[in-house]
Amino acid sequence: EAQVTQNPRYLITVTGKKLTVTCSQNMNHEYMSWYRQDPGLGLRQIYYSMNVEVTDKGDVPEGYKVSRKEKRNFPLILESPSPNQTSLYFCASSLTPPPYRNRGQPQHFGDGTRLSIL
Amino acid sequence: ELKVEQNPLFLSMQEGKNYTIYCNYSTTSDRLYWYRQDPGKSLESLFVLLSNGAVKQEGRLMASLDTKARLSTLHITAAVHDLSATYFCAVLRGYALNFGKGTSLLVTP
Repeated sequence: EAQVTQNPRYLITVTGKKLTVTCSQNMNHEYMSWYRQDPGLGLRQIYYSMNVEVTDKGDVPEGYKVSRKEKRNFPLILESPSPNQTSLYFCASSLTPPPYRNRGQPQHFGDGTRLSIL
Repeated sequence: ELKVEQNPLFLSMQEGKNYTIYCNYSTTSDRLYWYRQDPGKSLESLFVLLSNGAVKQEGRLMASLDTKARLSTLHITAAVHDLSATYFCAVLRGYALNFGKGTSLLVTP
């Protein structure tokens, strides 16, 4: 089954304790992205990756890191989490970066990771 | 900075009625997406609108795009309870998607 898998689904942790949220897709997609969703703010893009070893900042990258060493994986790293990073996080992927060929490709979203940082 | 505004943000409507959700955006783009999110769930792609004048329909939902007016609409025809969800539009800017804040739709008997 084609899917985007995030782990963990829920996490409660404390300020300053490094954490990683994993994201893996089995569709051989080139483009992957992380979003955070907050009440009243919709979804905001954190980072995206157009292919292996190619990443770039989205609208709210502060306090986050990403890496893309393999095509299928795109982990989100919080080196020193703070309470303002408490949010619902989504990973998404699409076959190609949005403006390129296969222009109609929507992004496929994972089930989300709810992070609470105390 | 690309701004994407949806309205209304909350919508309660009776079954059988029609209504339209609006999505305005501030800079040029020729790619617009509509997504649906059920409570506690992920986002599901509904429509991808690729060009000016594009219209797509799926069941009771119809989406359109006017790139000159920077406006997309999601029209709901004869609403049913199963359509209760939050609907997001998203506009492409470079390689990034900018989402609206979402419209929470509740369809009541």
